Amino acid sequence: KQEVTQIPAALSVPEGENLVLNCSFTDSAIYNLQWFRQDPGKGLTSLLLIQSSQREQTSGRLNASLDKSSGRSTLYIAASQPGDSATYLCAVEETSGSRLTFGEGTQLTVNP
Amino acid sequence: ETGVTQSPTHLIKTRGQQVTLRCSSQSGHNTVSWYQQALGQGPQFIFQYYREEENGRGNFPPRFSGLQFPNYSSELNVNALELDDSALYLCASTLGGPNSPLHFGNGTRLTVT
Repeated sequence: KQEVTQIPAALSVPEGENLVLNCSFTDSAIYNLQWFRQDPGKGLTSLLLIQSSQREQTSGRLNASLDKSSGRSTLYIAASQPGDSATYLCAVEETSGSRLTFGEGTQLTVNP
Repeated sequence: ETGVTQSPTHLIKTRGQQVTLRCSSQSGHNTVSWYQQALGQGPQFIFQYYREEENGRGNFPPRFSGLQFPNYSSELNVNALELDDSALYLCASTLGGPNSPLHFGNGTRLTVT
């Protein structure tokens, strides 16, 4: 059974810092991995999707890497801003079109 | 704006009652999934529908059931509500196909008292 773990559970940083969120998964036979953002009481917004054959994806100040063999992914946020404050969730899809297995998220607070 | 709309946004029910949650997906999104997210947890997969047929189910009892309609809308029904059913229920839809992103609605917050 696939299990996804995210470290740390919560993170508070001053504005402008570069930061790294970590995600690990127990079964490396995944189809893809996605990072989502969730604002309080809201749904999930997809940030980045990394296919199993890829090593990283970038979007603006966000960069996500994937090391499938070791079961790890990182989300790098450059020059953090207060608007980045949210919960960040990673999720793995084991086969195309199948369920997503989520981690419990990292709650990020960026202080002005 | 994801194009996925859920209703109602909030709902309060009493233990033992039944509830129906609704989701409207984008046109062409043949696949819809439902997730339960307890406070402080990641979403848990309930089930998935493709072209009106259930094609995947998570570890949820039969009192959780669903329907998908030809007009890209869907329902999640929960019978015999329990206190632990209190959660945010999220609907997600996709066009399908390899690596198609999921589009999530804003969820329905269900409180069971």
